[in-house]
Amino acid sequence: GNSVTQMEGPVTLSEEAFLTINCTYTATGYPSLFWYVQYPGEGLQLLLKATKADDKGSNKGFEATYRKETTSFHLEKGSVQVSDSAVYFCALNQGGGSNYKLTFGKGTLLTVNP
Amino acid sequence: DADVTQTPRNRITKTGKRIMLECSQTKGHDRMYWYRQDPGLGLRLIYYSFDVKDINKGEISDGYSVSRQAQAKFSLSLESAIPNQTALYFCATSDPTARAEAFFGQGTRLTVV
Repeated sequence: GNSVTQMEGPVTLSEEAFLTINCTYTATGYPSLFWYVQYPGEGLQLLLKATKADDKGSNKGFEATYRKETTSFHLEKGSVQVSDSAVYFCALNQGGGSNYKLTFGKGTLLTVNP
Repeated sequence: DADVTQTPRNRITKTGKRIMLECSQTKGHDRMYWYRQDPGLGLRLIYYSFDVKDINKGEISDGYSVSRQAQAKFSLSLESAIPNQTALYFCATSDPTARAEAFFGQGTRLTVV
């Protein structure tokens, strides 16, 4: 079946540091890939997505590139801020219609210190 | 107002009690989902519904039941709550296309004592 593996946290960085959160996946075919973010006390919200190989998703300074050859979708940000402190989830969706099903990684807690 | 609203936001209940968590959405989506979040385990799918007449079990449906009262409303019930059902519960909605994102409610923190 489908699965998502992301780096275990917690990750603690200083403000303005570079961030990478690794995500690899197992799926058949060509899934859509997502990064969701969960701020303290809130639900998940979409951060970015990519729907085909070599697509780059980007939002709020975060980027991730869909790499089919390495089955990866690593999240990066060049300079993190305290406000980026949150839990980050990598997810995939195998398909549409009756096949629509989001599979999530276990989440990575990021703490950014001033 | 939020697109996906969950009530209650927090609930403490006793072992053996029946409890219902409610979800309503204004996105106009046919698809609705209930997830459970536990530390270190990520999100796990409990039930999902493709429309009012189509309800499906997810990966951890034992001990739970659902009701889709209308396109906009999807309720999760714990018939006889047990302590290992203590968790954060999320409702979500989506379009059916492969590229569609899911929209989440703010969650219900349930504690079973």
